[in-house]
Amino acid sequence: AQSVTQLGSHVSVSEGALVLLRCNYSSSVPPYLFWYVQYPNQGLQLLLKYTSAATLVKGINGFEAEFKKSETSFHLTKPSAHMSDAAEYFCAVSDSGNEKLTFGTGTRLTIIP
Amino acid sequence: KAGVTQTPRYLIKTRGQQVTLSCSPISGHRSVSWYQQTPGQGLQFLFEYFSETQRNKGNFPGRFSGRQFSNSRSEMNVSTLELGDSALYLCASSLDRGYTDTQYFGPGTRLTVL
Repeated sequence: AQSVTQLGSHVSVSEGALVLLRCNYSSSVPPYLFWYVQYPNQGLQLLLKYTSAATLVKGINGFEAEFKKSETSFHLTKPSAHMSDAAEYFCAVSDSGNEKLTFGTGTRLTIIP
Repeated sequence: KAGVTQTPRYLIKTRGQQVTLSCSPISGHRSVSWYQQTPGQGLQFLFEYFSETQRNKGNFPGRFSGRQFSNSRSEMNVSTLELGDSALYLCASSLDRGYTDTQYFGPGTRLTVL
C-alpha cells in the first residue's frame, strides 16, 4: 500500500525567504504525486501534480516540486514566501490505476513578517 | 464555471441520529470522491463514485454509505452517528476516473456530533 510522510507538522519562514516543505512517499508501483493547499475553513486546492512526465513540476502561486525516485521524495519549494502562503499543505499519493488519494498528515506553514 | 458545492456547510447532530450530506460536482465531471478530515486521523478516503457506481471504498464501517445520481450529484449518509464522526467532510470531483485528472474540492461540510 502506498503512504506519504510529511516531515515537520509546522514550518515557519520569514517573508521573502525560501519555502521548503518535505514529502517522502512509499509506493510499490510508479506513483502519482500531488500537493494540495488548504486555507482556513476552505476545501483543498491543487497546487501541482506529478504524473510521470517531467520530474520538475511547476504549479500555481510560484510553487514547484521535484520528483526524486532515488530518494522517494517530492518536496515542495517556493523561492520567496509571501504572507498569503500561510496555510496548511498536504502531500498525497495515488498508485497508477488506483483511484484513491492517500494524504500525508499536513504541514502548517506560517509566514513571519 | 461553478465549483464544487456542498450542502449544508455546517451541521449539528446528536449521537444515534443519521445524516445526509450532499455534493454537486463541477458541470461535466463524472467522478466524485468523499474524504473525512479530522485533527487526529487527518484526511481519509471514504469512497469514490463514477457514473453512479461505487468504484473504490476506504476503510470505514458500513454506517458510512453513499450514492451518485445520474446527474453526477452525490450524497453520503452516516447512520447511527458516533462522537468520533465529528469531522469536516470533503467532496471532490474530476472529469473522469483516475487521479491524473485534477480533483477539485468543495468547501466541505463540518459535522458536529454531540
